[in-house]
Amino acid sequence: SAVISQKPSRDICQRGTSLTIQCQVDSQVTMMFWYRQQPGQSLTLIATANQGSEATYESGFVIDKFPISRPNLTFSTLTVSNMSPEDSSIYLCSAQDGYNQPQHFGDGTRLSIL
Amino acid sequence: GENVEQHPSTLSVQEGDSAVIKCTYSDSASNYFPWYKQELGKRPQLIIDIRSNVGEKKDQRIAVTLNKTAKHFSLHITETQPEDSAVYFCAAIGGTSYGKLTFGQGTILTVHP
Repeated sequence: SAVISQKPSRDICQRGTSLTIQCQVDSQVTMMFWYRQQPGQSLTLIATANQGSEATYESGFVIDKFPISRPNLTFSTLTVSNMSPEDSSIYLCSAQDGYNQPQHFGDGTRLSIL
Repeated sequence: GENVEQHPSTLSVQEGDSAVIKCTYSDSASNYFPWYKQELGKRPQLIIDIRSNVGEKKDQRIAVTLNKTAKHFSLHITETQPEDSAVYFCAAIGGTSYGKLTFGQGTILTVHP
């Protein structure tokens, strides 16, 4: 399966700042996704990162708050903008090579906002 | 869209016993059902999956069964060991969701030595 590297692994940020999380896959994949996992909770899909076009956001998530880039088939970034304490969470990227294929996750970024 | 319900939320068993976690889904067109194990502070790890054209799949001590008519699928772990203790998530890909996973709420499994 694809190896997915995510960085930073954790960060502590000040309110009102922005942080960009990087996700690198060791092989070309069709699909990349970004999830949020709040402490003790399940995973919630933020958006699908589309290569060469704008990301597709799920209900409750907007581009201004969570801009996403995907310049090629192995790399994506998620920015958490104008952060508030409510954004404290784990952010995970995942990769999948085709519909209905196994989806694998990076180690996640643990984000704390002061 | 797809909705996945998972039960129980917590499950405690003695080492060597079996554990069963059940999930139901809403979209009859869903066709792929993975299970993930997440240990504390680690990534969700795919442990087994099943497609809609298969009723059962087994991999050593773990198995998954799928009932398309009833729209539910289950994870079975036999001969549980303390290292099986983790949070388990079921998920489903809906018929028109283009690969997007919808997760269940998770089950905290504790295996007592």
